[in-house]
Amino acid sequence: AQSVSQHNHHVILSEAASLELGCNYSYGGTVNLFWYVQYPGQHLQLLLKYFSGDPLVKGIKGFEAEFIKSKFSFNLRKPSVQWSDTAEYFCAVNPVNNYQLIWGAGTKLIIKP
Amino acid sequence: NAGVTQTPKFQVLKTGQSMTLQCAQDMNHNSMYWYRQDPGMGLRLIYYSASEGTTDKGEVPNGYNVSRLNKREFSLRLESAAPSQTSVYFCASSGGTPAQAQYFGPGTRLTVL
Repeated sequence: AQSVSQHNHHVILSEAASLELGCNYSYGGTVNLFWYVQYPGQHLQLLLKYFSGDPLVKGIKGFEAEFIKSKFSFNLRKPSVQWSDTAEYFCAVNPVNNYQLIWGAGTKLIIKP
Repeated sequence: NAGVTQTPKFQVLKTGQSMTLQCAQDMNHNSMYWYRQDPGMGLRLIYYSASEGTTDKGEVPNGYNVSRLNKREFSLRLESAAPSQTSVYFCASSGGTPAQAQYFGPGTRLTVL
């Protein structure tokens, strides 16, 4: 069965630290890839997405993600986190031509001021 | 512009009771989705509606029914609630396929006793 794995369920960092959240998926075909974020008290919203082309994609608020096809990975990165990045982050994979969006379990990120 | 709205925000049911979760979007989106989120798991698709007049099963449809009332509204019905349906339910919409960003409602926290 198709699945998405997010390696860390909870991450605690200090402000200005660098961030990398792992995401791996199991699906052999072509996929669209997403990171969504849910800030405290807010709706889930799109952070960034990859469809094709440059495997390094940039999103809002200084986040970026790199698609490595050979590793079935789509890791999220930010060079220097801020307290306002405290949120839950979800990786999601959409097999092309399919309405299913397969979600990882999420990573709760806490940034200490 | 309210985006995606859901009612109610919270609900407690007894086993065997029925209820309908309401969802509406004002973005003129074609596609709408119902997900459930359980602790330690990613969102799982219950049903989706690719366009007005169509509905399809997702990953976990058992125990649920849906109605795409019109382009704006997509309701989820639990005919006979079970404790296993205790969850947080999210409605989402998108312009077309999941390849396009999905916009989420605030969620409904449902407890079945």
